[in-house]
Amino acid sequence: AQSVTQLDSHVSVSEGTPVLLRCNYSSSYSPSLFWYVQHPNKGLQLLLKYTSAATLVKGINGFEAEFKKSETSFHLTKPSAHMSDAAEYFCVVSISNTGKLIFGQGTTLQVKP
Amino acid sequence: EAGVAQSPRYKIIEKRQSVAFWCNPISGHATLYWYQQILGQGPKLLIQFQNNGVVDDSQLPKDRFSAERLKGVDSTLKIQPAKLEDSAVYLCASSLEGSLVRAFFGQGTRLTVV
Repeated sequence: AQSVTQLDSHVSVSEGTPVLLRCNYSSSYSPSLFWYVQHPNKGLQLLLKYTSAATLVKGINGFEAEFKKSETSFHLTKPSAHMSDAAEYFCVVSISNTGKLIFGQGTTLQVKP
Repeated sequence: EAGVAQSPRYKIIEKRQSVAFWCNPISGHATLYWYQQILGQGPKLLIQFQNNGVVDDSQLPKDRFSAERLKGVDSTLKIQPAKLEDSAVYLCASSLEGSLVRAFFGQGTRLTVV
């Protein structure tokens, strides 16, 4: 069965320091993986996606994620946090034969000045 | 490009009342999803349509929830009767057919059941 686990419910960083949001997945198929961001009172926005091409995926706003099959991980990183990055982040796995999206529980990113 | 439209944005009802949400997906998107997002949790899929057929409704509480997608375009999600635990944000999303493409999400309807 497909599932996704976000290892931290809350991450706090200082502005200008690196961001690491951790995600592990379980999938019987070769997975498609996504990171979505949700700002307060706004819709979910796609940050980046992995679909079996390059293992290092670059997204919007300076975010990137690396697919590591051996570790079943898809961690999200950014070299330098900005205040506007404060939001809820969701790691998502897609079931390849149905298109069903399974969301992780989310990680709240707090950015301190 | 117009996004996924949902209405209403907010709704407050008393328990045991009924409520309906509406979603207009992006034009040409064959797949439509309804998700329930309870505060502090990730979205949970309630139902997935491919055109006007149901692909997955395994987590839809069918004793009180119903959904339809007429003519493979707009969709409505209904709750009757509502319970306190139905308080959540209901998100609609759409995508082109296929699993490797991205889904576009609406802003959601925040339901409060009192």
